[in-house]
Amino acid sequence: AQKITQTQPGMFVQEKEAVTLDCTYDTSDQSYGLFWYKQPSSGEMIFLIYQGSYDEQNATEGRYSLNFQKARKSANLVISASQLGDSAMYFCAMREVLTGGGNKLTFGTGTQLKVEL
Amino acid sequence: EPEVTQTPSHQVTQMGQEVILRCVPISNHLYFYWYRQILGQKVEFLVSFYNNEISEKSEIFDDQFSVERPDGSNFTLKIRSTKLEDSAMYFCASRGWAGANVLTFGAGSRLTVL
Repeated sequence: AQKITQTQPGMFVQEKEAVTLDCTYDTSDQSYGLFWYKQPSSGEMIFLIYQGSYDEQNATEGRYSLNFQKARKSANLVISASQLGDSAMYFCAMREVLTGGGNKLTFGTGTQLKVEL
Repeated sequence: EPEVTQTPSHQVTQMGQEVILRCVPISNHLYFYWYRQILGQKVEFLVSFYNNEISEKSEIFDDQFSVERPDGSNFTLKIRSTKLEDSAMYFCASRGWAGANVLTFGAGSRLTVL
């Protein structure tokens, strides 16, 4: 079974600083995908970034980058130049491909990020 | 940008009542999902749906739950005889095709069972 671990229940960062949110995973699959989603206080789930297990380069999307270390089974999210609007819950998730071709995401417990002035 | 639309945004119901949560996935997407998030907890997979049938379901998705896509656009989750512990945020998500990676989530429907 797949497992996602986020060990930081809460993090604080100063505005304009960079912050790293930790995520480790466990799977026996050779092919898998890793995601980060943002959940602001309004509740919606916003996709941030995706990393495939065979991707050789770390994924980047604007101020978001994913530090993928396959041997260590970690997929940390780095947010550069933090903004007040980055304050939210952040979930790491892993994709499992289902027999019918669909995807199932297994989520971690999340990290609550607060950006301070 | 295309989005997944969920209604209602919030529903309050009495224990034992039936609830239908509605979702309009992105129009050309083929795979549909329901997830649940109990307040303060992580997001949990409920069910996946493809080609007009359930392709996988979790142990949470028992006989109390059902899904259907009645008209080619809406995707519904029905919860029969609601219990207090069904109170949660329910997320619908859709994905384009077999090779697409990203699930796009709706804004969620918050269900409160009294």
